[in-house]
Amino acid sequence: QVQLQESGPGLVKPSQTLSLTCTVSGGSISSGSYYWSWIRQPAGKGLEWIGRIYTSGSANYNPSLKSRVTISVDTSKNQFSLKLTSVTAADTAVYYCARVGGWAVNWGQGTLVTVSS
Amino acid sequence: QSVLTQPPSVSGAPGQRVTISCTGSSSNIGAGYDVHWYQHLPGTAPKLLIYGNSNRPSGVPDRFSGSRSGTSASLAITGLQAEDEADYYCQSYDSSLSGSDVFGTGTKVTVL
Repeated sequence: QVQLQESGPGLVKPSQTLSLTCTVSGGSISSGSYYWSWIRQPAGKGLEWIGRIYTSGSANYNPSLKSRVTISVDTSKNQFSLKLTSVTAADTAVYYCARVGGWAVNWGQGTLVTVSS
Repeated sequence: QSVLTQPPSVSGAPGQRVTISCTGSSSNIGAGYDVHWYQHLPGTAPKLLIYGNSNRPSGVPDRFSGSRSGTSASLAITGLQAEDEADYYCQSYDSSLSGSDVFGTGTKVTVL
């Protein structure tokens, strides 16, 4: 059973860069016809798709975040990562990573990232 | 702002049937892209309920069913149970947004 686990700082200062890593266990990140996504949920709001990456390295991003987001993959470590620059309080949210085959098959438990000075 | 619109809330008594709509457009659901549904309980990861418009993953009760028609999709819950009280989201793909996956606005189901 594939499992995903998010890790990274829970507190980021405004204007700085949010960095999270998702570690995949129970299977290879390179196997199967899947891509790997980041999704977030601000408190009291709905789910927001941030972006996806294929193990080839090709990525797509939410147009509303595209100028600030980079998703990368490290197949040797079975991990993929999220970087979000110039964060503000509006970026405070629970961040999820997910394995997607059209639909999100597996999700991480989520990690709360708070943007505050 | 999501391109998939859901009612903010629906409610029903135990045993009743409720439906949740997911309204899109010609660049997502109307273009034939599949719709998937998730159940989200507070403090937990979302759970896949329906994939490919109407398919249930193993372990999901047959009380949950999905359909798609035109630019909309629906999730139906029959025989509503207290444990079904949660937030529900539809998800699809939108060709007009640089190939983005998109989530619906979310619907809170309340069991009266």
